Amino acid sequence: NAGVTQTPKFQVLKTGQSMTLQCAQDMNHEYMSWYRQDPGMGLRLIHYSVGAGITDQGEVPNGYNVSRSTTEDFPLRLLSAAPSQTSVYFCASSPRAGGGGELFFGEGSRLTVL
Amino acid sequence: AQRVTQPEKLLSVFKGAPVELKCNYSYSGSPELFWYVQYSRQRLQLLLRHISRESIKGFTADLNKGETSFHLKKPFAQEEDSAMYYCALSKRGGSNYKLTFGKGTLLTVNP
Repeated sequence: NAGVTQTPKFQVLKTGQSMTLQCAQDMNHEYMSWYRQDPGMGLRLIHYSVGAGITDQGEVPNGYNVSRSTTEDFPLRLLSAAPSQTSVYFCASSPRAGGGGELFFGEGSRLTVL
Repeated sequence: AQRVTQPEKLLSVFKGAPVELKCNYSYSGSPELFWYVQYSRQRLQLLLRHISRESIKGFTADLNKGETSFHLKKPFAQEEDSAMYYCALSKRGGSNYKLTFGKGTLLTVNP
């Protein structure tokens, strides 16, 4: 059981480049989300989805785009990378969108923007 | 707006000593509180949730609504408890499931 899989694990970008962080889960979870983890800031919610075709913004959505065409996949797109987007990104899923329950996290993707 | 405060960035104790990681929250409704843990080179994972009233790896946490706190406690710390700990809050039974995390406390248990 793979759980939540994120790719790539590491990426270096130049300012202005675009890229997509991939996230896939094989647990048939309704809810998926993206967080970024920065020193001294904890985890902050970027975007989330409560089901296929439904996405919404979290706390820090600027500069990021998401879509949810299938239950399994929830990619995060950086349209024009900036140094401020240097961070560790975590994808997480949960069986229920309606409150409570446990979040299952991926291993994280470390992004550096030069 | 919901907010979670972990006042200690770093906490260092000796093996066998009691440990308490503090968490305070602000929320107008009925919250669900969680503790997540991230061991070195491992995924972030759920440690415990207040609604279960369970003890995991010797850790307990009691929701104190009067003090709006959800402190994590363990009577005798072990070296393997060294990790980053995050307190988190969500709206109880709401239609949107968004966890708000604190900034985390790095616990180091010294031999």
